[in-house]
Amino acid sequence: DVKVTQSSRYLVKRTGEKVFLECVQDMDHENMFWYRQDPGLGLRLIYFSYDVKMKEKGDIPEGYSVSREKKERFSLILESASTNQTSMYLCASSSSGTGNYEQYFGPGTRLTVT
Amino acid sequence: ELKVEQNPLFLSMQEGKNYTIYCNYSTTSDRLYWYRQDPGKSLESLFVLLSNGAVKQEGRLMASLDTKARLSTLHITAAVHDLSATYFCAVDGGSNYQLIWGAGTKLIIKP
Repeated sequence: DVKVTQSSRYLVKRTGEKVFLECVQDMDHENMFWYRQDPGLGLRLIYFSYDVKMKEKGDIPEGYSVSREKKERFSLILESASTNQTSMYLCASSSSGTGNYEQYFGPGTRLTVT
Repeated sequence: ELKVEQNPLFLSMQEGKNYTIYCNYSTTSDRLYWYRQDPGKSLESLFVLLSNGAVKQEGRLMASLDTKARLSTLHITAAVHDLSATYFCAVDGGSNYQLIWGAGTKLIIKP
């Protein structure tokens, strides 16, 4: 079974703090994604990576950065957290070699910025 | 612009009834994905439809794909309370392995 894990299920941070969200997958997937999910706004792609050290902006990259130093790990960084970044953050991974783009999701991190 | 539209966005139904969720998309993709999300939880893959005419079934859920009409349906047969969830469809984004997501259909099944 594909397993995608995220470092925290719940996180509370203060405005201005630097926040790291970690995602690890154990299936040797090439592609990894960070989404945020807010009520009424569906899933929005923040960043994705299709290889180690490669990254591409998604639809809402402002206020975020990412790091992918190892194939299995994809980190989302909030350089200076703000209250409008309070959200559910979902990490996903997918393989480049299966002939389809099916994504496997981690359990999510619910981040509250106060 | 690539778009995926689901309808309805909200559906409240009685146990035992049948209903269908629709997913229309604007790309020429022939691959479509259905996911389920329980409240407060993450997304779980339900079906992967890889070609025109594909049909897949799991319990009371059946998904089908018509790539010519750019339409997928998720049919619920004799609904039970446990199927209450939000259902998302997604299609291939055409580049870099992205998926384009529908807004989700929140399904509530009342006893």
